[in-house]
Amino acid sequence: AQSVTQLGSHVSVSEGALVLLRCNYSSSVPPYLFWYVQYPNQGLQLLLKYTSAATLVKGINGFEAEFKKSETSFHLTKPSAHMSDAAEYFCAVSGYSGGGADGLTFGKGTHLIIQP
Amino acid sequence: DSGVTQTPKHLITATGQRVTLRCSPRSGDLSVYWYQQSLDQGLQFLIQYYNGEERAKGNILERFSAQQFPDLHSELNLSSLELGDSALYFCASSVGSTYGNTIYFGEGSWLTVV
Repeated sequence: AQSVTQLGSHVSVSEGALVLLRCNYSSSVPPYLFWYVQYPNQGLQLLLKYTSAATLVKGINGFEAEFKKSETSFHLTKPSAHMSDAAEYFCAVSGYSGGGADGLTFGKGTHLIIQP
Repeated sequence: DSGVTQTPKHLITATGQRVTLRCSPRSGDLSVYWYQQSLDQGLQFLIQYYNGEERAKGNILERFSAQQFPDLHSELNLSSLELGDSALYFCASSVGSTYGNTIYFGEGSWLTVV
C-alpha cells in the first residue's frame, strides 16, 4: 500500500519569496512521485514527475522537487513566488497492487497563498 | 489543455436520481481513471479501465459503475444519488496501465445533488 502526507494544508508566502511545499510518502515498491497543481475551478495539471532517473526533478513554471529516499520525501520548491502561483498543490504516489495499477494516491493538498 | 474531455461540466440533480458522466481520453491513451474530489474526502481513486477492461478498483460505491467502450471513451454511472455524492468527478487517462504512467486529468464534472 502507499500513502502521501502533505504537511500544512495552507502555506502563505510573500511574492518573490521561496516556496516550499512538503510531501512525505510511503510505498511498498520503488515509488513514482508526482506533483499536480489545481487552479481555481480547473482540473489537475501535472507539474513534474519523479521516475528515478534523477533525484532533482524540474517541472513547469519554475518549480522543482527533490527526491530523498532516506527521508521518504519529495518536497516541491520554487525560488521566487509569483502571484499566479496561488493554487492548490497535490503530491501523489503511483501505486501497484496485484495485476494492475491502482492509479494515484493523493495527499490532501496544500493551498498556496501568495501575499503581495 | 490536457486532451482529456469530460461532459457535462456542471450537473444539478435531485436525490435518488441517476446520472452519467462521460469522458474521452487523450488520443492514444488506453487507460481511463475516475476520481472523486470532495472537501471531506479529498481526491479519491474510484476505478481504472484499460482497453475496455476493468483494471483496478478503489473506493467506488456499489451504486456507482463505469465502463469503457471500444472507442475508448468511458462513462461513470452514479445511481440512487445522495447529498453526499456532491463532488467534482475527474476523468484521467494514460498510455498504459502499469504503475508509473503519467496520468493526465480532465477539467472535471461538477455534480450537485439537491
